[in-house]
Amino acid sequence: DQQVKQNSPSLSVQEGRISILNCDYTNSMFDYFLWYKKYPAEGPTFLISISSIKDKNEDGRFTVFLNKSAKHLSLHIVPSQPGDSAVYFCAASGINFGNEKLTFGTGTRLTIIP
Amino acid sequence: ETGVTQTPRHLVMGMTNKKSLKCEQHLGHNAMYWYKQSAKKPLELMFVYSLEERVENNSVPSRFSPECPNSSHLFLHLHTLQPEDSALYLCASSQEWTEETQYFGPGTRLLVL
Repeated sequence: DQQVKQNSPSLSVQEGRISILNCDYTNSMFDYFLWYKKYPAEGPTFLISISSIKDKNEDGRFTVFLNKSAKHLSLHIVPSQPGDSAVYFCAASGINFGNEKLTFGTGTRLTIIP
Repeated sequence: ETGVTQTPRHLVMGMTNKKSLKCEQHLGHNAMYWYKQSAKKPLELMFVYSLEERVENNSVPSRFSPECPNSSHLFLHLHTLQPEDSALYLCASSQEWTEETQYFGPGTRLLVL
């Protein structure tokens, strides 16, 4: 059973517009969420995170929104740039990380069209 | 060298071969991880080591054998693998194993024939 789901395997966005990547989770024990970005032939790179005590966290062009009641989070990138083209993984963990583990989604491939 | 490095970057092996993947982190972290990334599947956590002791093992087949000789090095020994084990194997590290933010290596792409 997949506890973290990224239902869109791919997304194409025009340069300069907003990119919105979505992630849903099923485990109500998750209380910390992260986004990772992965370029080809490289490992995932930590991008931004959010704790369940918040509903928004912003870092430059990247903003993560958390809707706990809907068990949904999203990553907004604005304005989108060609260098943002990558695979984005959503990940979640619980209070006791050692037990809950860091669970990843399957990723969404974002392509920014110049 | 900085960050997390992995060697080899690519590996092709037969089902009867024995090989090892190596990971090294230069971040002074105390925890290291092995992940498996198969096509169209979520990233799977395989093993977690904290201060050279294994703290997590997610029902991984015994044909995968990890080794952590010190907090900077992590190995994954492979023997009698199956074609379905072909995947990208990622190593990661974090300051402590209870910390969610992890730093990943580039991965080893493994093909089992």
